[in-house]
Amino acid sequence: GQSLEQPSEVTAVEGAIVQINCTYQTSGFYGLSWYQQHDGGAPTFLSYNALDGLEETGRFSSFLSRSDSYGYLLLQELQMKDSASYFCAVRDQSGGYNKLIFGAGTRLAVHP
Amino acid sequence: NAGVMQNPRHLVRRRGQEARLRCSPMKGHSHVYWYRQLPEEGLKFMVYLQKENIIDESGMPKERFSAEFPKEGPSILRIQQVVRGDSAAYFCASSPRDSNYGYTFGSGTRLTVV
Repeated sequence: GQSLEQPSEVTAVEGAIVQINCTYQTSGFYGLSWYQQHDGGAPTFLSYNALDGLEETGRFSSFLSRSDSYGYLLLQELQMKDSASYFCAVRDQSGGYNKLIFGAGTRLAVHP
Repeated sequence: NAGVMQNPRHLVRRRGQEARLRCSPMKGHSHVYWYRQLPEEGLKFMVYLQKENIIDESGMPKERFSAEFPKEGPSILRIQQVVRGDSAAYFCASSPRDSNYGYTFGSGTRLTVV
């Protein structure tokens, strides 16, 4: 099966940089993705890494190291609106069918 | 281009009643996934459907829960004889094909069992 581990909570101040780590165990790997969810809202797709290295999209970047089964989401120039939960996810192909399996989420609190 | 539409947004049921949750995928998306989220927890996979077919229901409880995605109309997640432990947010996601990552989620249905 698949499993993902990420910290439950992270706290930072406005303007700072924060890194949310994710380690995974999977029988087959098809990439690591990240989703953001505000309280009471829908999860929204942020980024996807299939190959090693850093992918940058504006203030958000995502990194993957397949050899270490590890990735992280980097948020720069933090804003209050970045306060949300962040989930890493991998594809699970058990049983021959594909669906995303999510980590338990990291709750990010941004303070003034 | 409307996103994934779920209704109702909030649903209150008494113990023992039935709950019906609806999901209309994005236009052009033929793959639908249902997830359950308990308060302060992550998204737990329940079931994966394509039109008229249940592809993977490995995350569905064995009793009281069922799902369908008919040829016409929305996907339905049905919970019979609800119990307090069914209280959760239920999210539907869709993708245009067998996707590694790019799911589009609906806003969810918050089910409260009283």
